[in-house]
Amino acid sequence: QKEVEQDPGPLSVPEGAIVSLNCTYSNSAFQYFMWYRQYSRKGPELLMYTYSSGNKEDGRFTAQVDKSSKYISLFIRDSQPSDSATYLCAMSRGGGANNLFFGTGTRLTVIP
Amino acid sequence: KAGVTQTPRYLIKTRGQQVTLSCSPISGHRSVSWYQQTPGQGLQFLFEYFSETQRNKGNFPGRFSGRQFSNSRSEMNVSTLELGDSALYLCASSSTGSEQPQHFGDGTRLSIL
Repeated sequence: QKEVEQDPGPLSVPEGAIVSLNCTYSNSAFQYFMWYRQYSRKGPELLMYTYSSGNKEDGRFTAQVDKSSKYISLFIRDSQPSDSATYLCAMSRGGGANNLFFGTGTRLTVIP
Repeated sequence: KAGVTQTPRYLIKTRGQQVTLSCSPISGHRSVSWYQQTPGQGLQFLFEYFSETQRNKGNFPGRFSGRQFSNSRSEMNVSTLELGDSALYLCASSSTGSEQPQHFGDGTRLSIL
């Protein structure tokens, strides 16, 4: 079983829709949770970083962590064509980069 | 503040050759990590350097090696290249490498013919 599971999609939504991206994990020791956005021919760009459970909002983006269910989500409100990218979740228990695990990414397309 | 810079952006090599990739971290960041990204395997951890010392290593063969200099810049070397080494190689930096998030460069696209 992989440490982190993420639906690869692809996911297509109309402009203005609310997008929900999700990851599940198996290691209860994970404490740090991240979402990255990766455009084609670019490196992953850090979108959201949260510690432990709860919600974090930044503009149109909201990250949720539910440690009891081992489930994290990223919501994108009022989605734009510029949001079209691959979204990667990542999580860590701390202690070094070798303890950072990534999902395989969900490819999102926002249709104008 | 400048981001993580990787050079070169693209490389084409043939089997058996060796290659060196370079990474300049964000100013002030002392941890540099390297990852291999492929469509089938996603992001796989290669190794992490902190203050010129290899702190952690992933499950890659010894053909993959790296080093970090006193200014935190890092290089990664792959010897005796194989077709399966074709991938996007990403460098990431972090202030500490553990609790602080990784910030990635745009990678070096390595193609092996």
